[in-house]
Amino acid sequence: KNEVEQSPQNLTAQEGEFITINCSYSVGISALHWLQQHPGGGIVSLFMLSSGKKKHGRLIATINIQEKHSSLHITASHPRDSAVYICAVADEKLTFGTGTRLTIIP
Amino acid sequence: DARVTQTPRHKVTEMGQEVTMRCQPILGHNTVFWYRQTMMQGLELLAYFRNRAPLDDSGMPKDRFSAEMPDATLATLKIQPSEPRDSAVYFCASGLVWSSDFQETQYFGPGTRLLVL
Repeated sequence: KNEVEQSPQNLTAQEGEFITINCSYSVGISALHWLQQHPGGGIVSLFMLSSGKKKHGRLIATINIQEKHSSLHITASHPRDSAVYICAVADEKLTFGTGTRLTIIP
Repeated sequence: DARVTQTPRHKVTEMGQEVTMRCQPILGHNTVFWYRQTMMQGLELLAYFRNRAPLDDSGMPKDRFSAEMPDATLATLKIQPSEPRDSAVYFCASGLVWSSDFQETQYFGPGTRLLVL
């Protein structure tokens, strides 16, 4: 069973700060997903990665397959980025991390 | 603006009652997922379908949960009989996959918030 760990569990930062959220897993995977869950509960898929790096606007996701580690970065953070960020790893199953609750203070 | 729809959005029921949750995936998507989210366990994959065929339902309690896709526009998740521990938010998601499982962008519905008393 793949063990997925996210860090930090909670993160509070000032608007404009650079944010990094980490996800590590224990067993080799075929893909890793980053999801964003808004305070109202809705879930949006941000990235699906199998190698390297992807960028979308102010969001950047990287994955290191050898080290079994992925990071989600947010540049120039904004209060609307406040959400829970969840990583999910895909091997034979899809296993979720427990999420990182991000709060951006104006 | 294509989106996944789920009904009902909220459901309160008494223990022992049957609960049916419905999901309409995005037209053209070939894969449908059912997830459950609780405070204690977080998100869990219950089951998923490809081209209406069940691929994996190992995440579901088999004795009381069942998932079906009667047609390409409707997926259902039933609980019978329901128990208080089933209280959770149930999300449906759909995607279009060409190759390997779980290597697609998933589009989530708004969820059904279930409370079993």
